Amino acid sequence: GENVEQHPSTLSVQEGDSAVIKCTYSDSASNYFPWYKQELGKRPQLIIDIRSNVGEKKDQRIAVTLNKTAKHFSLHITETQPEDSAVYFCAGSSNTGNQFYFGTGTSLTVIP
Amino acid sequence: GAGVSQTPSNKVTEKGKYVELRCDPISGHTALYWYRQSLGQGPEFLIYFQGTGAADDSGLPNDRFFAVRPEGSVSTLKIQRTERGDSAVYLCASSPGTNTEAFFGQGTRLTVV
Repeated sequence: GENVEQHPSTLSVQEGDSAVIKCTYSDSASNYFPWYKQELGKRPQLIIDIRSNVGEKKDQRIAVTLNKTAKHFSLHITETQPEDSAVYFCAGSSNTGNQFYFGTGTSLTVIP
Repeated sequence: GAGVSQTPSNKVTEKGKYVELRCDPISGHTALYWYRQSLGQGPEFLIYFQGTGAADDSGLPNDRFFAVRPEGSVSTLKIQRTERGDSAVYLCASSPGTNTEAFFGQGTRLTVV
């Protein structure tokens, strides 16, 4: 099955700086890659996603890039704010679309 | 309801007991997923339903775990002879189809003592 690896496990940035989280995947047939944000004690919530026919997608301060050849995708958060502090999970869908394989998460802390 | 609802929110049970965890998906969502999340880890896939049938149960750790979705809406995850290692947050998610956004519930925190 798919194997998704995520780096770094923890990340601290100053407010206003950018944050980048990187993920790699193993199954070249995977075609959907969502990113979830999970605040302490709360449910994961989708913040952005990308499909394999697109190389980049942007939504205000958040962007995701996908390199299908290298099998990696990245989350970019610009102008970080304290409320961006949370755990972020990347995921890849199996080639059957039956399940998502999640990375181990990145704990982001934005220092005011 | 507006979102995925899971009950109970917390469950403490003794080792060896049987538990049922309930998930009410978003109305009209045909896809339903169960995941398990341990502290500091990403969600781990357990089982996927498309309608009433379990289309993929490859993530169930052993035969103590079972899930049903008899009418294609509400799902119940059943754990027999619970063990301390089963302690985790059990997350349910639903989606209007495959390879599209999955909406998660708040989870059930299961503690086996």
